Amino acid sequence: EPEVTQTPSHQVTQMGQEVILRCVPISNHLYFYWYRQILGQKVEFLVSFYNNEISEKSEIFDDQFSVERPDGSNFTLKIRSTKLEDSAMYFCASSGGEVKETQYFGPGTRLLVL
Amino acid sequence: GNSVTQMEGPVTLSEEAFLTINCTYTATGYPSLFWYVQYPGEGLQLLLKATKADDKGSNKGFEATYRKETTSFHLEKGSVQVSDSAVYFCALISGGYNKLIFGAGTRLAVHP
Repeated sequence: EPEVTQTPSHQVTQMGQEVILRCVPISNHLYFYWYRQILGQKVEFLVSFYNNEISEKSEIFDDQFSVERPDGSNFTLKIRSTKLEDSAMYFCASSGGEVKETQYFGPGTRLLVL
Repeated sequence: GNSVTQMEGPVTLSEEAFLTINCTYTATGYPSLFWYVQYPGEGLQLLLKATKADDKGSNKGFEATYRKETTSFHLEKGSVQVSDSAVYFCALISGGYNKLIFGAGTRLAVHP
């Protein structure tokens, strides 16, 4: 069964450093998303992406964040200058194909900013 | 705006007990409703969904019915197992490719 994959599974970084989180969505999906979950809290929407552009973003997704689909398979989230409060689990999701509304999630990247 | 409210946890049950996790929503239009499950140390897995009023989603013994009149989508299982211990998230989408809006999650612990 096709699945969304994410790398790395864990990342530790120093405050102020740039990080890039990588995702490979399900191959025939056209809609891509990033969510985050701060430890013990609810899952929050960050951004959605379609046709090589952002279709919606939340207030969390400020100028420090960017997304890119650099090739036909990868979808990345970049945080330019990490803050302590960026520490969270970041989930990638994709949707499309026959069942358009259902978003399938990757296993997540746990980011720790020190 | 759109929102999802779930019963607070944790919910602690003995094996083979009946489970209900309440979920209500506020949304414009006719949202699709979902339950996702997060097992310890893992990501989010789709458990079940319903896309219109009176639809019943079901999977792995879990069920939930889309009740428009009460704006609810309560999750039920007749007999829980230890392996059902996880965090359960109710969520909605209002519009086909829009963002998922999640409830706060309900932690379920099942003891032998």
